[in-house]
Amino acid sequence: GAVVSQHPSWVICKSGTSVKIECRSLDFQATTMFWYRQFPKQSLMLMATSNEGSKATYEQGVEKDKFLINHASLTLSTLTVTSAHPEDSSFYICSAGRLVGETQYFGPGTRLLVL
Amino acid sequence: GESVGLHLPTLSVQEGDNSIINCAYSNSASDYFIWYKQESGKGPQFIIDIRSNMDKRQGQRVTVLLNKTVKHLSLQIAATQPGDSAVYFCAETYGNEKLTFGTGTRLTIIP
Repeated sequence: GAVVSQHPSWVICKSGTSVKIECRSLDFQATTMFWYRQFPKQSLMLMATSNEGSKATYEQGVEKDKFLINHASLTLSTLTVTSAHPEDSSFYICSAGRLVGETQYFGPGTRLLVL
Repeated sequence: GESVGLHLPTLSVQEGDNSIINCAYSNSASDYFIWYKQESGKGPQFIIDIRSNMDKRQGQRVTVLLNKTVKHLSLQIAATQPGDSAVYFCAETYGNEKLTFGTGTRLTIIP
């Protein structure tokens, strides 16, 4: 149990286009999901907390108009990188927890390359 | 602000030996700690966790030790195998679901 999937696993796009990344909890419901960004050889940086049925909570310094988050159901959250630029190239990872106060389970990540 | 950090960024261990990865945290209010393993190009994988009311917890080949007095967390891996090569992150949280990650330690197993 506690499987989290992401789609796509990797994406290459042209500068100026938008990219949508999906995060799904496959065998449990998650009212809260988290989106992280990771640069090579660095730790995970929390971008935002995705809340089912309400607005996402963004960390300081993360542009909410740049990184659109939608948590439409208890098993799906999406992150849309709008008007992507080369500096947005990174490894994006989502996570979800089955119960409050328990560990989070991570998706396999999505590698984004903006040309 | 509060942070979680690791003492050693890299660690090389002979196959079959035990590995110890350390982590220091600064938030004394932290009540839940987790170790994750991340292989190249993959998402973090849960290894073991411990709550602040415990000082030791064992899993399969892994043991986590928590010393609240000095705010130190360690992960011990017994009889390391080539498949243990990865980056290991500690993470902490206090009362909510947001995790704060340490900087990570790369563990390399020498054949």
